[in-house]
Amino acid sequence: AAGVIQSPRHLIKEKRETATLKCYPIPRHDTVYWYQQGPGQDPQFLISFYEKMQSDKGSIPDRFSAQQFSDYHSELNMSSLELGDSALYFCASSLGLRVSDGYTFGSGTRLTVV
Amino acid sequence: SQQGEEDPQALSIQEGENATMNCSYKTSINNLQWYRQNSGRGLVHLILIRSNEREKHSGRLRVTLDTSKKSSSLLITASRAADTASYFCATDATGSTLGRLYFGRGTQLTVWP
Repeated sequence: AAGVIQSPRHLIKEKRETATLKCYPIPRHDTVYWYQQGPGQDPQFLISFYEKMQSDKGSIPDRFSAQQFSDYHSELNMSSLELGDSALYFCASSLGLRVSDGYTFGSGTRLTVV
Repeated sequence: SQQGEEDPQALSIQEGENATMNCSYKTSINNLQWYRQNSGRGLVHLILIRSNEREKHSGRLRVTLDTSKKSSSLLITASRAADTASYFCATDATGSTLGRLYFGRGTQLTVWP
């Protein structure tokens, strides 16, 4: 079965650079959630999209922006990168805003800012 | 934070033993979910228990939920070396219709052969 695909798997950027992370949801899923997991930390919700509109917003820095496109894939754009942005970034997808059986997460993008 | 703590933070056991991890949370919930994460990898959904359920089983997994104490436990029976991973609980809070999950800090389980 198709899963949530994230790209790239690994990304190394320098401070003050820009990074773009991509998330391709499971086919027919219309909702995407982004989470950030710092080293040794629990995942923290960043932002979500439902039917191409932002549906919820968490602790996402103003330097970050995201959108969901007509094919339902989503991109997280991160500008003016800081060392503290180094983390594992996950996305999850669902059909609709609630699920009855848990979420499917992608394998994540590991961002390292040097 | 809407999420409490998980304990223990780390658990080390021998193969064949049972592993119990606990999770506490702060707000009312619609459901509580447990996820597994191998080192540096993605989160894998294990089991979901709804707020009106008290216990749920899936294979070697047993989850309990006590909404009066705002706590849950995950029991892995007859553990195997392949169960070595971090385990997170995550809550879907009441009043939220948007699907956001609040994760706990996780328990690092090590199962020795």
